[in-house]
Amino acid sequence: SQQGEEDPQALSIQEGENATMNCSYKTSINNLQWYRQNSGRGLVHLILIRSNEREKHSGRLRVTLDTSKKSSSLLITASRAADTASYFCATDFNNDMRFGAGTRLTVKP
Amino acid sequence: NAGVTQTPKFQVLKTGQSMTLQCAQDMNHEYMSWYRQDPGMGLRLIHYSVGAGITDQGEVPNGYNVSRSTTEDFPLRLLSAAPSQTSVYFCASSSLQGGNQPQHFGDGTRLSIL
Repeated sequence: SQQGEEDPQALSIQEGENATMNCSYKTSINNLQWYRQNSGRGLVHLILIRSNEREKHSGRLRVTLDTSKKSSSLLITASRAADTASYFCATDFNNDMRFGAGTRLTVKP
Repeated sequence: NAGVTQTPKFQVLKTGQSMTLQCAQDMNHEYMSWYRQDPGMGLRLIHYSVGAGITDQGEVPNGYNVSRSTTEDFPLRLLSAAPSQTSVYFCASSSLQGGNQPQHFGDGTRLSIL
């Protein structure tokens, strides 16, 4: 299946620590996106990384992509309680976009 | 600028009933889609549309119908509700089909089928 699989399923850290979430997939991709979902809300787009890119940054977010290992990681630095949410990766190949089951991040104040 | 608006936010149905979930976007996006989200699973694509008058099936289309008469609206119809359709439904839009554009999501409709 092309669908990305996030790891870990759940992550609990203290405020100020860094959080790293991983996404693995099985087939070729054109693009990979990361989304955040707060409880009871829709998904919010964070970062899009293309298959020919290796790293992208957006504020406290850093995304890496290793197409040889078919994996991506999302790093949130200096986490805040407001970062508590579920994070999803979405892989795209030829306009077929598939979402993983997500990582539930809890940031304790 | 409201983005993607879904109504209703919550709904309880009895098995066999029909209903329509509404979705509207004000960003003039050509691509719209419907997903369902179940516990422990990623979002699964039900139906999508690349423009007014054009719809196609996604990964899990059975039991659902869609139509796209305008660019703004993309309603999802449950023909005869079944308990297996209990889920959270999300509508999304983007300027183009595929994963090379960010998807904009509504806040979802939480549907329970008794």
